[in-house]
Amino acid sequence: AQSVTQLGSHVSVSEGALVLLRCNYSSSVPPYLFWYVQYPNQGLQLLLKYTTGATLVKGINGFEAEFKKSETSFHLTKPSAHMSDAAEYFCAVSNPQGGSEKLVFGKGTKLTVNP
Amino acid sequence: EPEVTQTPSHQVTQMGQEVILRCVPISNHLYFYWYRQILGQKVEFLVSFYNNEISEKSEIFDDQFSVERPDGSNFTLKIRSTKLEDSAMYFCASTRQGLISGNTIYFGEGSWLTVV
Repeated sequence: AQSVTQLGSHVSVSEGALVLLRCNYSSSVPPYLFWYVQYPNQGLQLLLKYTTGATLVKGINGFEAEFKKSETSFHLTKPSAHMSDAAEYFCAVSNPQGGSEKLVFGKGTKLTVNP
Repeated sequence: EPEVTQTPSHQVTQMGQEVILRCVPISNHLYFYWYRQILGQKVEFLVSFYNNEISEKSEIFDDQFSVERPDGSNFTLKIRSTKLEDSAMYFCASTRQGLISGNTIYFGEGSWLTVV
């Protein structure tokens, strides 16, 4: 069975500092990987996804993530945090080779950006 | 940008009552999903629906749950006899050609269900 571990339920950074949100996954087959963001009182919005090809994936709002198969990781980064980045971030994995339409989510990381 | 819309945004219901949560997926999408998030817990998959039938469901999706696409635009989740533990945010989602194809899943803003 697939699973996702997000290290740190809360991360706090200063405005302008590097954002690093960690995600490790467990999957017996090559997965698809996703990062979603949830702003207060809103739904889940896709930030970026990895399916195949280039392992460094760029998303919206200046975020990027790198798929590292050897480390089973898909960490999310942004060079310089903005106040508007404060939200909850979810890493998710799917199993396309298994024919599954299911996304398995991590527990989420709440990002706080301090002025 | 097209979006998935859900109604109601918040519903309070008494234990044992039936609840129907409604969703309008993006118009040219073919795959539909329900997920839920109990407060403080992970977002969990409930069910996927394609070609007018359930294609996959989780162990959470037991006999008290059902889904339906009653017309060409709506997709509903029915909870037959609600329990306190059904209190959660329910997310509807859709995708054009399925997650397996690498398509993006678009989520609605959620329906918050409180069972009292």
